[in-house]
Amino acid sequence: DAGITQSPRHKVTETGTPVTLRCHQTENHRYMYWYRQDPGHGLRLIHYSYGVKDTDKGEVSDGYSVSRSKTEDFLLTLESATSSQTSVYFCANRAEGGTEAFFGQGTRLTVV
Amino acid sequence: QKEVEQNSGPLSVPEGAIASLNCTYSDRGSQSFFWYRQYSGKSPELIMFIYSNGDKEDGRFTAQLNKASQYVSLLIRDSQPSDSATYLCAVKARLVFGTGTRLLVSP
Repeated sequence: DAGITQSPRHKVTETGTPVTLRCHQTENHRYMYWYRQDPGHGLRLIHYSYGVKDTDKGEVSDGYSVSRSKTEDFLLTLESATSSQTSVYFCANRAEGGTEAFFGQGTRLTVV
Repeated sequence: QKEVEQNSGPLSVPEGAIASLNCTYSDRGSQSFFWYRQYSGKSPELIMFIYSNGDKEDGRFTAQLNKASQYVSLLIRDSQPSDSATYLCAVKARLVFGTGTRLLVSP
C-alpha cells in the first residue's frame, strides 16, 4: 500500500457539532481524495486535492470542507454534522502519473 | 448524466462460469480507467488499470476498453465463490467511481 491511514476509525457525534477526519500518507503522493460510501451509491467523491493548498469539489461537496496544508495530511471537516452525513468515509491517494490509487481503512461516522 | 455508470446488480453466476461486468462513461475525453474490487466492510483494492483500446489480461481477469463506444468491461474467467464482491469502475481523471456491481458466485 502507500502508507495511508485514517483517523479516527469510528466516531459517534451529535447533530450540529463540528467533526474533522484526518487522512495521513507516508508517501509524498500528489493526489488525495475523500469519498463517502452509502448503500446503493458506491463511492461518491466529496473533495480532492492535487497539491498543497490545491483542492477542488467533487460530486457531493455540500456540507463538507477540506484542507491540505502539508503534503502528507488531507483533512475533511463537517462544519455542522447532520444525520444525512452518517456514512463510511474513505480517503485515497495516487502518485502523479500513478496507475494505482490506494485507499485507507475507512472511518465509520455516525451522527445522532 | 452520471460520469460513470454501472448496473448495481446483483450479477449471479455459477462457479466456473465467466462473469461479465460493464461500465459506461460520459466524458468522451476520458483516457484511462480502473477496476477495483471491494469486499463487504473492506477497502477497495485494485484489479486492473487500462488506458489503451482493446483487451488487457491479468490472470483470470480481462479488462476491455472501447473508447468509441465509451465503455469499459471486466471479464472474470473461472469465477470462484471468493470473487463474490462489489466491482467498481473509475475514470482516472478525478478518480470518479460508478456505483459498483455486486457479483455473487454460487458454488
